[in-house]
Amino acid sequence: QKEVEQDPGPLSVPEGAIVSLNCTYSNSAFQYFMWYRQYSRKGPELLMYTYSSGNKEDGRFTAQVDKSSKYISLFIRDSQPSDSATYLCAMPQAGGSYIPTFGRGTSLIVHP
Amino acid sequence: GAGVSQSPSNKVTEKGKDVELRCDPISGHTALYWYRQSLGQGLEFLIYFQGNSAPDKSGLPSDRFSAERTGGSVSTLTIQRTQQEDSAVYLCASSLGSLTDTQYFGPGTRLTVL
Repeated sequence: QKEVEQDPGPLSVPEGAIVSLNCTYSNSAFQYFMWYRQYSRKGPELLMYTYSSGNKEDGRFTAQVDKSSKYISLFIRDSQPSDSATYLCAMPQAGGSYIPTFGRGTSLIVHP
Repeated sequence: GAGVSQSPSNKVTEKGKDVELRCDPISGHTALYWYRQSLGQGLEFLIYFQGNSAPDKSGLPSDRFSAERTGGSVSTLTIQRTQQEDSAVYLCASSLGSLTDTQYFGPGTRLTVL
């Protein structure tokens, strides 16, 4: 079992939909959670990060962490075609090397 | 430059040949990372530099892979005797220095081994 599991999709939604992207993890040492967005033929860019359980909101994006279930989510409200990309979750192991462990990424397609 | 740059953007080589991939980090960034992204796989960590030293090279898959960094800036990833399974996108990232600092990624080099 990989330390970070993420459904690769693709996830196809109509414009304006609420999108839910999810990751599960097995290593309880993960304390810091990140979401990256990767457009086709580009490198990933950091979208959001959070240290704690609960929600963190940034514009149309909300990151949610449930440490008891080892489950994290990224919600996108009022999705736009420009949100079409691959979304990767990543988790550095605190107290160790801090090198992030990445999920496989979920491909999101928002169609007009 | 404004961001991390990598060259070449695409590389096609024959099995058994050596290849060199280059990364130019953001000016002033002391930390530099190499990752590999294969189809359907997540980013796989290869090696991390702090300055010219590599405190963590645990992700290099075999002794055919090596990397160096000179002048605390440009880094080169070398793959010797390439194999078809080396085909992937090789991504470089840099950060200010602390392992918890945000990593900024380059566009990657797409390597195809025939």
